[in-house]
Amino acid sequence: DTAVSQTPKYLVTQMGNDKSIKCEQNLGHDTMYWYKQDSKKFLKIMFSYNNKELIINETVPNRFSPKSPDKAHLNLHINSLELGDSAVYFCASSRLGTSPDTQYFGPGTRLTVL
Amino acid sequence: DQQVKQNSPSLSVQEGRISILNCDYTNSMFDYFLWYKKYPAEGPTFLISISSIKDKNEDGRFTVFLNKSAKHLSLHIVPSQPGDSAVYFCAASVDQTGANNLFFGTGTRLTVIP
Repeated sequence: DTAVSQTPKYLVTQMGNDKSIKCEQNLGHDTMYWYKQDSKKFLKIMFSYNNKELIINETVPNRFSPKSPDKAHLNLHINSLELGDSAVYFCASSRLGTSPDTQYFGPGTRLTVL
Repeated sequence: DQQVKQNSPSLSVQEGRISILNCDYTNSMFDYFLWYKKYPAEGPTFLISISSIKDKNEDGRFTVFLNKSAKHLSLHIVPSQPGDSAVYFCAASVDQTGANNLFFGTGTRLTVIP
C-alpha cells in the first residue's frame, strides 16, 4: 500500500538516449511534483502538476517533459540524455490548499548517464 | 541562488542527549517551514512544520524554533535515539497560485551514537 511509488528505482543509460520515469500516488492528492537531487545533495523542484495543468516550471531544459495521464500519475520523460542529468529524481504529491503543503515523496529513481 | 541553507553537513550526538539541527533562509516571504527526514534509498518523509507567525512548535521529542528576525530555525530532538540517525532537510514554502513551492536545504546527516 505504498503511497507514492516510482519506477524504475535505478536507471542506467547511454548519453543521447530517451528515457521515462513513472510515478503513481494512491493518496487522492491533486498536485504532483518532480524534484532533482544532484551530486551536492541539493533537492530542487522541477515541475508540479495540478489537475493535469503545469503550474511550476523551474528553468528546466525542454528535454524534460512531465506527462500526467490522470491525477494519480505524473511521468517524467527525458530526451537526449546528457551526463549532467545523472541524479536522483524524486516524485512527490500533496493536496492543494492545505497549509503547510506537506508533500509525500516517492523512494527516488537514481539515473546514471554514461 | 539557494534560499534555504543548512551549513552543517553532519552532526554526531550521543544517545539520550539533545540534537540541534540548524537552518537559515533568505526569503522573508516564506510562510511555512518544514523539516523532512530521509533514510538511505528512501524518499524524504515529513517530520514537523511551523508557521511563520509562530516561534515554536512541539511534537513529542521534536521541537522546531523559528527566529524570524534572524531568519533562522532549528530542530531540537530530545532525547536522541539511534533510530533518529538520518539526513534531515529543512524546507520552506511560499504560496504560489495553484501550488506551494518547497525550497530545500542541502541536509544535515545526524548520527546518534548508542
